[in-house]
Amino acid sequence: NAGVMQNPRHLVRRRGQEARLRCSPMKGHSHVYWYRQLPEEGLKFMVYLQKENIIDESGMPKERFSAEFPKEGPSILRIQQVVRGDSAAYFCASSMGQASGNTIYFGEGSWLTVV
Amino acid sequence: SQKIEQNSEALNIQEGKTATLTCNYTNYSPAYLQWYRQDPGRGPVFLLLIRENEKEKRKERLKVTFDTTLKQSLFHITASQPADSATYLCALGGSGNTGKLIFGQGTTLQVKP
Repeated sequence: NAGVMQNPRHLVRRRGQEARLRCSPMKGHSHVYWYRQLPEEGLKFMVYLQKENIIDESGMPKERFSAEFPKEGPSILRIQQVVRGDSAAYFCASSMGQASGNTIYFGEGSWLTVV
Repeated sequence: SQKIEQNSEALNIQEGKTATLTCNYTNYSPAYLQWYRQDPGRGPVFLLLIRENEKEKRKERLKVTFDTTLKQSLFHITASQPADSATYLCALGGSGNTGKLIFGQGTTLQVKP
C-alpha cells in the first residue's frame, strides 16, 4: 500500500455534517478510484477519475456524494449531509494507466463514523 | 446480475500445508482477475493479476489459476505460515477504459502453528 496516501484515517461526523476524504495517488499515477466497504460487505466501486475528468461514476450514490481530481492537489471524495448509513471504510486506489492493463494499488482507507 | 462467490466460512489450516481458496463468478466475462490480501483495519494489498488468456500465474509461494470455462479461479499458498493469516479478496475486471473492479466478500484464512 505504500504510495497511495489517504487522510484522514479516521473521521467522526454528526448526522447532517459534511465529510471530505482526501487521496494522493502513487507517484506517476494519474488514474484514481474510490471504493467503499460497508461493515460485513465487500468492496464496492464508486468512481473512477483521471486528472480533471470523471470517467466512470456508475457506483456513486445519486445524491450527496461527489468526487473530483483537480489538476493540482489530491482527489477529494465529498459526502454532504452525512447519515448513519454512510459509516464505512472508504478506500482510494490508483494506477499508472487504465485499470484493464495495470495493477490497482490501494491506500489504507479512511474510516468514517457518523454519530 | 454479476455475482462473485468466495467461501464465506473461514479456512483453518496447519502451518506448512497448502491453502486453496476458491473464487467463482457468474454472469460476467472478465478480462482479468486479481487477488488481494486484506488485514483488519488495513487496505487491500495486491498479490497477483491473471488475464483471461492465461491459465496459471505464480509468484514465490503463491499460485493462481483461471478457468474461464468453469468461471473459477483458485488461489494457492504453499508452505503456509501463520503470517499468511488474513482475508483474501478476489476481484474481476473488464476490458475497456473502466476502473471498476468487482470484488468478492473475501475468505479469511487462519494458519495455525
